[in-house]
Amino acid sequence: DAGITQSPRHKVTETGTPVTLRCHQTENHRYMYWYRQDPGHGLRLIHYSYGVKDTDKGEVSDGYSVSRSKTEDFLLTLESATSSQTSVYFCAISESGTGGTLGSPLHFGNGTRLTVT
Amino acid sequence: GQNIDQPTEMTATEGAIVQINCTYQTSGFNGLFWYQQHAGEAPTFLSYNVLDGLEEKGRFSSFLSRSKGYSYLLLKELQMKDSASYLCAVRDPSGGSYIPTFGRGTSLIVHP
Repeated sequence: DAGITQSPRHKVTETGTPVTLRCHQTENHRYMYWYRQDPGHGLRLIHYSYGVKDTDKGEVSDGYSVSRSKTEDFLLTLESATSSQTSVYFCAISESGTGGTLGSPLHFGNGTRLTVT
Repeated sequence: GQNIDQPTEMTATEGAIVQINCTYQTSGFNGLFWYQQHAGEAPTFLSYNVLDGLEEKGRFSSFLSRSKGYSYLLLKELQMKDSASYLCAVRDPSGGSYIPTFGRGTSLIVHP
């Protein structure tokens, strides 16, 4: 299994509070991603990173920010949590961004279940 | 834009064969992935197709037809542990990003 650790695994927070989720990898992969997964929507990309300090927005980036100061760490911040951000958040990594012969599939962490009350 | 369709739910019997279809409409194409996700767990990579044809890995096979925008995942000799969601994801580089877009997944229930 790819060495990906997400923390915390579970979190309950109140509306309006800031929340930071952490993703740590030991694979030295260049690409890191944050997805959220909700019933009826599948996995949707929030933000991704293609290198240290290099990040870009995904499909559902509003209300989220990210930072990557080291290759191994990718942080997702909810500046002011809302109930619509209650979800399961997955971090993923990939060796390459473009695929190549083997496709460079994404490998996922175990997820963080976030509840905003 | 991208449109990826999979059936929402399927049921099958232990020991049988099941085929999970995925159709996609994308501006470009650079590979299709299948993932398995058990309830409460992370998605795990099953297969990758970039050229037309069948890729076989043990009990699991994946097929791709680029001209038809169609793929299927074939699971043989079904076991109870195969009960899970199966996610189809397509890499479309036409917008400048190679990041895969996921379908909503197919929930497979295997019963005795």
